[in-house]
Amino acid sequence: GENVEQHPSTLSVQEGDSAVIKCTYSDSASNYFPWYKQELGKRPQLIIDIRSNVGEKKDQRIAVTLNKTAKHFSLHITETQPEDSAVYFCAAPFLKFGNEKLTFGTGTRLTIIP
Amino acid sequence: DGGITQSPKYLFRKEGQNVTLSCEQNLNHDAMYWYRQDPGQGLRLIYYSQIVNDFQKGDIAEGYSVSREKKESFPLTVTSAQKNPTAFYLCASTQLTGVVTTEAFFGQGTRLTVV
Repeated sequence: GENVEQHPSTLSVQEGDSAVIKCTYSDSASNYFPWYKQELGKRPQLIIDIRSNVGEKKDQRIAVTLNKTAKHFSLHITETQPEDSAVYFCAAPFLKFGNEKLTFGTGTRLTIIP
Repeated sequence: DGGITQSPKYLFRKEGQNVTLSCEQNLNHDAMYWYRQDPGQGLRLIYYSQIVNDFQKGDIAEGYSVSREKKESFPLTVTSAQKNPTAFYLCASTQLTGVVTTEAFFGQGTRLTVV
């Protein structure tokens, strides 16, 4: 079935340290892997994404890596800051009967400790 | 100002009533989605639609219904058959470009409470 597993569900790191969140997906045909950040009471917003023809993508302090063989992708945040505290979601599209179903992971609550 | 708009922001429903949540987008996106978010949980897919007059059930469609009469609108009705409707509901849209998936944009959400 179409499944995206995300770990850990909660993560606390000291300010300045790195944080890593991992996701695995079930459909080898999935070709797009975004990460969303949701601050308290707000809508999720895209922070970085990667396509299946690329192994790694960086944008300042955040990076995403993709291992298509193992069907997993990870979010890396370096030099964490208090404003990085939020819930992070990974997602993957699944093609079903010609329709694309965008499925999200269960989320990771990241807390940055000052 | 382009975007995706949900209304109302807060909604209270009495038990046994149907309520309809509005979702409108002016991004000219083809695909629209409804997700339910419970405290401390992820985004669970209720319904999705890729073209007008067509939609598909997601993972938790029971007790919900949708319509897609216009490209820009995808209203969600929470029926009395939904036994535990209190949750935060998010609508999203994406552009479809063949095999290439694009960024999903979310509305600001509707918090539904059963009283």
